[in-house]
Amino acid sequence: GAVVSQHPSRVICKSGTSVKIECRSLDFQATTMFWYRQFPKQSLMLMATSNEGSKATYEQGVEKDKFLINHASLTLSTLTVTSAHPEDSSFYICSAKMGGGNQPQHFGDGTRLSIL
Amino acid sequence: KQEVTQIPAALSVPEGENLVLNCSFTDSAIYNLQWFRQDPGKGLTSLLLIQSSQREQTSGRLNASLDKSSGRSTLYIAASQPGDSATYLCAVPTLTGANNLFFGTGTRLTVIP
Repeated sequence: GAVVSQHPSRVICKSGTSVKIECRSLDFQATTMFWYRQFPKQSLMLMATSNEGSKATYEQGVEKDKFLINHASLTLSTLTVTSAHPEDSSFYICSAKMGGGNQPQHFGDGTRLSIL
Repeated sequence: KQEVTQIPAALSVPEGENLVLNCSFTDSAIYNLQWFRQDPGKGLTSLLLIQSSQREQTSGRLNASLDKSSGRSTLYIAASQPGDSATYLCAVPTLTGANNLFFGTGTRLTVIP
C-alpha cells in the first residue's frame, strides 16, 4: 500500500518551455504533498508544501511564479516549471502523506528534468 | 532550524562486511526518524522508520537505532552485498507546520564484490 506515482520520469526540453510534473497517491488520500529538488550529489531540499484546495507554501528562495503548484484533489498535485532555463535542470521528487505529524511520507520515483 | 548530518559521506567496503552509517540531528524534539535508500538517478525507498519512543527497528539485515537525547541514529547493515550499493539518507520531520522532512547529506555506500 501507500504508492505514489510521479510522471514523467524524465523530461528533456528546450529553454523557455514550461513543464508539468504530476504526483498521484494511488491508494490513499494525501492531505499534504511535498515537492523536493535534488541537485547532483546533494541531498533533497524542500521546495514547497501543498494542501488540497489551498495555496502552496513555498520555502525561502523558491519563486512561486516560477514553480506553480496545484493540489486540486486529495490524490493529485502538479508542479509546473514555467519558462524553464538550464539552471532549473534538476531531479524533482514529490511525496505525499495522510494525516498529521507522525505519519510517514511516501515518495514518488522522481522526475529528471534537463533543459537544453 | 533542524540540521541533519551524515558521516561518512562515502564508504567502500568489501562484500560480507558489517558496517555502520551515522546520522546526527541538532533538534532532539522529533516525531520519528526515517532511513531511505536512493539508487543513482532514482527516487527514495523507505528502509526503516523509528518512532521517537523507540530505540531501534530491524528489517532483515538492517538495524536502525535511535538515541533522541543525544541526537543520533545509526543504520547497521550486516553481511553487506554488492546490491546494497546506494546512497543512504536519514530524515526527520519538523514538529511544526506540515511536518516536512529535513534530509541528511547522505552516505554513498559501495560494496565491492
